[in-house]
Amino acid sequence: GQQVMQIPQYQHVQEGEDFTTYCNSSTTLSNIQWYKQRPGGHPVFLIQLVKSGEVKKQKRLTFQFGEAKKNSSLHITATQTTDVGTYFCAGRAKGKYIFGTGTRLKVLA
Amino acid sequence: DGGITQSPKYLFRKEGQNVTLSCEQNLNHDAMYWYRQDPGQGLRLIYYSQIVNDFQKGDIAEGYSVSREKKESFPLTVTSAQKNPTAFYLCASSGSSYNEQFFGPGTRLTVL
Repeated sequence: GQQVMQIPQYQHVQEGEDFTTYCNSSTTLSNIQWYKQRPGGHPVFLIQLVKSGEVKKQKRLTFQFGEAKKNSSLHITATQTTDVGTYFCAGRAKGKYIFGTGTRLKVLA
Repeated sequence: DGGITQSPKYLFRKEGQNVTLSCEQNLNHDAMYWYRQDPGQGLRLIYYSQIVNDFQKGDIAEGYSVSREKKESFPLTVTSAQKNPTAFYLCASSGSSYNEQFFGPGTRLTVL
């Protein structure tokens, strides 16, 4: 069946360092969404990418959708303690979203 | 105050009992979803509904049942047939299956 893998599973960074999480699908996606879940909370929508090769930025966050629409990445520049949480991608294929396994980010002050 | 609500936040049940988790939204969204999240893992889709009186199985529907009699409500029943029911259950809604999903606060179910 369709799978969406994310790497790394965990990432510890010093405050101010950059962070990247990668999402890879076994099938071509029609679009991809990114969510952030704070510890003890629920996922909150960050962004949606639709076009092949699309790049979107939100302040320190940069999102990219691969040319083949099978992979995506989220890059955070100069992490802050408020960036702590788990980042999930969710790829849409065959009418439904499949969530990635998530990357748990810990930022050390 | 618009949003999506789930109740209760914590739920304890004895093994062999059915339990129903509530999910209500006042966002006028057509699509609603139920996910299960286990510690350190991603979200797995249990059931989803794109319109009232219609729903489809997700990837892990066995041992669960749902109904969608009203647009704003999508309750999930965890039956005794679910072998490993202890988990964090998240309900979500979206304007359509293409749009962003809004999640409720979740219900943490513990079966003793």
